Amino acid sequence: EVQLVESGGGLVQPGGSLRLSCVASGFTFSGYWMSWVRQAPGKGLEWVANIEQDGREKYYVDSVKGRFTVSRDNAKNSLYLEMNNLRAEDTAVYYCARDGGLSPFDYWGQGTQVTFSS
Amino acid sequence: SYVLTQPPSVSVAPGKTARLTCGGNNIETKSVHWYQQKAGQAPVVVIFYDSDRPSGIPERFSGSNSGNTATLTISRVEAGDEADYYCQVYNNTSDHVVFGGGTKLTVL
Repeated sequence: EVQLVESGGGLVQPGGSLRLSCVASGFTFSGYWMSWVRQAPGKGLEWVANIEQDGREKYYVDSVKGRFTVSRDNAKNSLYLEMNNLRAEDTAVYYCARDGGLSPFDYWGQGTQVTFSS
Repeated sequence: SYVLTQPPSVSVAPGKTARLTCGGNNIETKSVHWYQQKAGQAPVVVIFYDSDRPSGIPERFSGSNSGNTATLTISRVEAGDEADYYCQVYNNTSDHVVFGGGTKLTVL
C-alpha cells in the first residue's frame, strides 16, 4: 500500500524557517517525480515545487523561488521542503504528492499544517 | 504563465448530470487531470489524461477535452459527490504544474 506521511509543520513567525518532511512507502520512491502542493485556508490547491527522480531537476512556483528548496533522499525514501523567510501568505496545509510531471498526482499525503504566528 | 479557469460553483439535483468546465488557452493540446476533494480530506484523482478513470472511480465520472475547454461530467449525481473539484495540467513551456481555482459542486 502506497503511503505518504508528512511532518514538520507548525507555528512560524515572520521571516522564520521550517523544514517539512515526507516519508514514502509502498512503492519504489526513486522511480518517481515528487511534489509539494499547498492549500491556504478556504482556498484552492497551489503547486509549490517538484523534483525529478535523482534530484537534479527542480522547479518552483514563482512566489517561493529563492525562499523554498525541495530535496530528496532516495536512500531514506524521503522528500523535504526547506522553507525560509516565511510570510503570512505561506500559511497553508502542505501536501506531499507523488509525481508532478506529465503524470497525475496519484497519491497524496494527509498534509501538514504551517501556520503563521504574529 | 498558463491559467486554468473554473466556475466557482455548480449546483445540481440528485440523479441529474453535472458538467464542470476548465478553460485554458488551447487546452486540448495538454493532458488534463481532475481531482475531487471532500471537506477535510486530501484530493483524489478522478480522471486523468483527459478521460481515463482510475480503478475504484465510478463510471459515472467521465472527462473530455476539446478546443479551449476540458469538461468533467458526473452522471446520475449522488449526495456523496458533493465536493470541490480541481483541474490540473503540466505546462511544459515553464515546467510548472498548474491547478484551476476549483469548482464547488453542491448537490441540491
